[in-house]
Amino acid sequence: NAGVMQNPRHLVRRRGQEARLRCSPMKGHSHVYWYRQLPEEGLKFMVYLQKENIIDESGMPKERFSAEFPKEGPSILRIQQVVRGDSAAYFCASSPAGGVLGTEAFFGQGTRLTVV
Amino acid sequence: AQSVTQLDSQVPVFEEAPVELRCNYSSSVSVYLFWYVQYPNQGLQLLLKYLSGSTLVESINGFEAEFNKSQTSFHLRKPSVHISDTAEYFCAVSESGGSYIPTFGRGTSLIVHP
Repeated sequence: NAGVMQNPRHLVRRRGQEARLRCSPMKGHSHVYWYRQLPEEGLKFMVYLQKENIIDESGMPKERFSAEFPKEGPSILRIQQVVRGDSAAYFCASSPAGGVLGTEAFFGQGTRLTVV
Repeated sequence: AQSVTQLDSQVPVFEEAPVELRCNYSSSVSVYLFWYVQYPNQGLQLLLKYLSGSTLVESINGFEAEFNKSQTSFHLRKPSVHISDTAEYFCAVSESGGSYIPTFGRGTSLIVHP
């Protein structure tokens, strides 16, 4: 059973370009969480999704950022018109369910985005 | 809403010495508590967790943490550290019965010197 897979591991974008980060949850997991880790800071929650639904996006910037988790395929975190301040490590985590069953999240190795 | 405070951003210690990494949380409801470890350029790995029952929980590599409800703490301890324990350690909390979105502390960098 493969773990949470994120790709690419490293992504370099010029200012103004789009960044697409992919996350394939563990087999059987239908809940996905995205976090951002800035240098010298902890993980900040961005968005929580179930298949085809955004459950909580309270941590997402209002502009340029979007996320989806389609019925088939990986979850995608999309950042439009990237700026230098978007440079960070983006981590995806998955769990088999929410509530009492979703009491631990399995993390991917992250995508390190660098905006130049 | 819950929050987590890790007071120490960095903890240097010599090999084979004991260590304690502090974690305090705030929440108005019952919580689940977690410690994650992050090695350089890696993702987070679950180290141990408290859900219910015994307030002392242990990991397979010698770490333990004790849930203290009155002090709202979940400090991580190890009686004798190894060089390989050098990593970033994150405390996290989620509210039981809620939507389960773990809130993380800022992390503590454990640096083990030979």
